[in-house]
Amino acid sequence: KQEVTQIPAALSVPEGENLVLNCSFTDSAIYNLQWFRQDPGKGLTSLLLIQSSQREQTSGRLNASLDKSSGRSTLYIAASQPGDSATYLCAVRPNGANNLFFGTGTRLTVIP
Amino acid sequence: ETGVTQSPTHLIKTRGQQVTLRCSSQSGHNTVSWYQQALGQGPQFIFQYYREEENGRGNFPPRFSGLQFPNYSSELNVNALELDDSALYLCASSLAYQETQYFGPGTRLLVL
Repeated sequence: KQEVTQIPAALSVPEGENLVLNCSFTDSAIYNLQWFRQDPGKGLTSLLLIQSSQREQTSGRLNASLDKSSGRSTLYIAASQPGDSATYLCAVRPNGANNLFFGTGTRLTVIP
Repeated sequence: ETGVTQSPTHLIKTRGQQVTLRCSSQSGHNTVSWYQQALGQGPQFIFQYYREEENGRGNFPPRFSGLQFPNYSSELNVNALELDDSALYLCASSLAYQETQYFGPGTRLLVL
């Protein structure tokens, strides 16, 4: 069974700092990997989706990388802002499956 | 805004009762997935419906059941509620085989 782990569970940084969030998964037979943002008590907003054949995706200040063979992905946030404060979740879609397996998330706080 | 709506936003029930949660998919989307997110955890896949038929199920007991209607709206029904059913319930809609699932804001269920 696919298991997804995110480290750290919580992170607090001063505004302007660059940061990296980590995600690891146990089964490398994935179709794609997504990073989501979740604000307190709210639904999920998709940030980046990486196909299994890709190495990275970029959107604005966000860059996500994927190393499928080692079962790892990172989300890099440049020049962090207080508005980036949220929980970040990574999720993998296994080959042949229609559902997502989620990690438990990293709760990010950016201090003004 | 993803165009996916859920009702109600909050709900309080007592143990043993039954509950129905509703989801309205984004226009044109024929696939809906339901997830349960316990406090401090990542979402866990309950089941998916495609064109009114169940199309995959996670590790949830039969007292969790669903329906998808011809207009692609959906219901999640939970019978014999237990305290551990307290969670945020998320639905996500997509086109079949589309990469991205669009999540609604969720329904927060509290079982006392």
